[in-house]
Amino acid sequence: DAMVIQNPRYQVTQFGKPVTLSCSQTLNHNVMYWYQQKSSQAPKLLFHYYDKDFNNEADTPDNFQSRRPNTSFCFLDIRSPGLGDAAMYLCATSRGAQGVDTQYFGPGTRLTVL
Amino acid sequence: GQNIDQPTEMTATEGAIVQINCTYQTSGFNGLFWYQQHAGEAPTFLSYNVLDGLEEKGRFSSFLSRSKGYSYLLLKELQMKDSASYLCAVRDSNYQLIWGAGTKLIIKP
Repeated sequence: DAMVIQNPRYQVTQFGKPVTLSCSQTLNHNVMYWYQQKSSQAPKLLFHYYDKDFNNEADTPDNFQSRRPNTSFCFLDIRSPGLGDAAMYLCATSRGAQGVDTQYFGPGTRLTVL
Repeated sequence: GQNIDQPTEMTATEGAIVQINCTYQTSGFNGLFWYQQHAGEAPTFLSYNVLDGLEEKGRFSSFLSRSKGYSYLLLKELQMKDSASYLCAVRDSNYQLIWGAGTKLIIKP
């Protein structure tokens, strides 16, 4: 089945220790998104790629970086995680076409910062 | 600023009907989405409205009034598995999705 896969599902890191979250998709979608979601809050868009074009949200901290080496994979790097970065990180994809252009989400990675 | 408002929490009884409202103020409008999110899981797509009116999909229906900046999600014949958060999201003139914080729906037997 075509899908969006995120690894790992749960990640524990130490304060200040770099961490990388990964996302892959078999949908062959043009657009990949990274969201941060804290408990009972709306998903917050960090950045997205349209093909190789990177789009950073204005309020995304510099501590967060992303890489998309090919159509299928996208990575979220947190250079120096702080306690406030503990959250669910959601990867999503969409075709990037006009019209509905539904976003399809992976299962998420829950990040704990000790 | 852009804003999506939804009730924080609602409670309903198994077998009943519940309506979850969403009001929005955005820079332009290019469609409204409803997603379901079970605790600790990713959002899953439920419905999309871009024209005024009601869209029906089985037990779930979604309504849109663009002039009022208003939508609702109607869930019929509630089942225990419908206990989840329901997120409203609007696509603005820049094709960015603006998300609400979600409505936590609690179903009681």
